[in-house]
Amino acid sequence: EVQLVESGGGLVKPGGSLRLSCAVSGFTLDSFTMSWVRQAPGKGLEWVSSISGRSAYIFYADSMKGRFTVSRDNAKNSLYLEVDSLRAEDTAVYYCAREVPTASWYFDSWGQGTLVTVSS
Amino acid sequence: QSALTQPASVSGSPGQSITISCTGSDLDDVNYNYVSWYQQHPGRAPKLMIYDVTYRPSGVSNRFSGSKSANTASLTISDLQADDEADYYCSSHTFSNLYVFGSGTKVIVL
Repeated sequence: EVQLVESGGGLVKPGGSLRLSCAVSGFTLDSFTMSWVRQAPGKGLEWVSSISGRSAYIFYADSMKGRFTVSRDNAKNSLYLEVDSLRAEDTAVYYCAREVPTASWYFDSWGQGTLVTVSS
Repeated sequence: QSALTQPASVSGSPGQSITISCTGSDLDDVNYNYVSWYQQHPGRAPKLMIYDVTYRPSGVSNRFSGSKSANTASLTISDLQADDEADYYCSSHTFSNLYVFGSGTKVIVL
């Protein structure tokens, strides 16, 4: 069974940093491009970043460039997202999602999300 | 990258059909051949309902169908049921290797 489990969220002060993790099981991580998607309270989904299986290709949404860093450790079956200089508007549930390993573009599996709250 | 535009809400009675639209700009670089749709119940993770415009993943009811015309994709839910009440998001890939989501539509079952 495919499972994605995010962790690392919590309450952080403005200007602080956070590292989110996504532990996966049930599939071979290095065969899949993975993404982070966030959702502010009461708002819609917002794609953050994607990273290819061997980290050769990394992409960020325009609004995420500079403060967000995605990485992965396939040996540890884990995906990461570091966020620096946190702002109130970064408050959101952060989901990791698996992209399909075919010539298409969609997310076939999602984690349950981890909540990041930025507040003083 | 601007979000794709969806109606804020769509409502229907049980047994009826509803359609949710997902529209982009003529100037965006969205690849409309890869539109997908996600259902999200409150407090839950999104669930894939349609991919590549018209395809349903295994396990998704055939009451859900997708289509597109030019830069507008649509999700139709037929024989509306109480459990269909949820938020629905369209998404697609861009020629710049980014993803974009729609603004989201709340489906209300009357």
